[in-house]
Amino acid sequence: QVQLVESGGGVVQPGRSLRLSCAASGFTFSTYGMHWVRQAPGKGLEWVALISYHGNNEYYADSVKGRFTISRDNSKNTLYLQMNSLRTEDTAVYYCAKERSSGWHHPSRSYGMDVWGQGTTLTVSS
Amino acid sequence: QSVLTQPPSVSGAPGQRVTISCTGRSSNIGAGYEVHWYQQLPGTAPKLLIYDNSYRPSGIPDRFSGSKSGTSASLAIAGLQAEDEADYYCQSYDSSLSAVVFGGGTKLTVL
Repeated sequence: QVQLVESGGGVVQPGRSLRLSCAASGFTFSTYGMHWVRQAPGKGLEWVALISYHGNNEYYADSVKGRFTISRDNSKNTLYLQMNSLRTEDTAVYYCAKERSSGWHHPSRSYGMDVWGQGTTLTVSS
Repeated sequence: QSVLTQPPSVSGAPGQRVTISCTGRSSNIGAGYEVHWYQQLPGTAPKLLIYDNSYRPSGIPDRFSGSKSGTSASLAIAGLQAEDEADYYCQSYDSSLSAVVFGGGTKLTVL
């Protein structure tokens, strides 16, 4: 079945780095754009980043631009989020999510996120 | 503070109909960008409920419906059931922010 499984979360100190992974299965990963979305404790959803199906286009929320990098390895069916210069406000559950429609889309034409992982928790604390 | 405004909470009795609003502006919903809705049950990941303003993915009951007009969108849930108790989020795009945006979320309580 179609599945996304995140990993890599943990507890890190402010200023440090961490890389999250999202393993995809059950669909042709290389043909879909992929998102990272986060949810701080007790808060709502916040979009983090989007990468095109081929990996040539990346888009970021202002809150993470310059610190986070989204990437993908289509040969391994895996999505990544490299997080540098972490801040306490980055503490959240991080979800990866699949774009509903295949092909390249500018984020202004998102078709909705139809498959989500279970999330991985990042805690940034000294 | 999200650029898409949702009521923090709504409630209704079993069998009733409730609506959840998502109010935006000319740089997002009013610009014609599509609106999607998600349901998040307690302790679980979000689930796509409505896409492109009014379409239901396979497996979503027709009790759930979406609409969009002007700078706002709405999610309606008819025939409320206990299992509908969840948080609901709208999502669109904002050209001023050049970003995908979510509403702040609405907690639905089934009385």
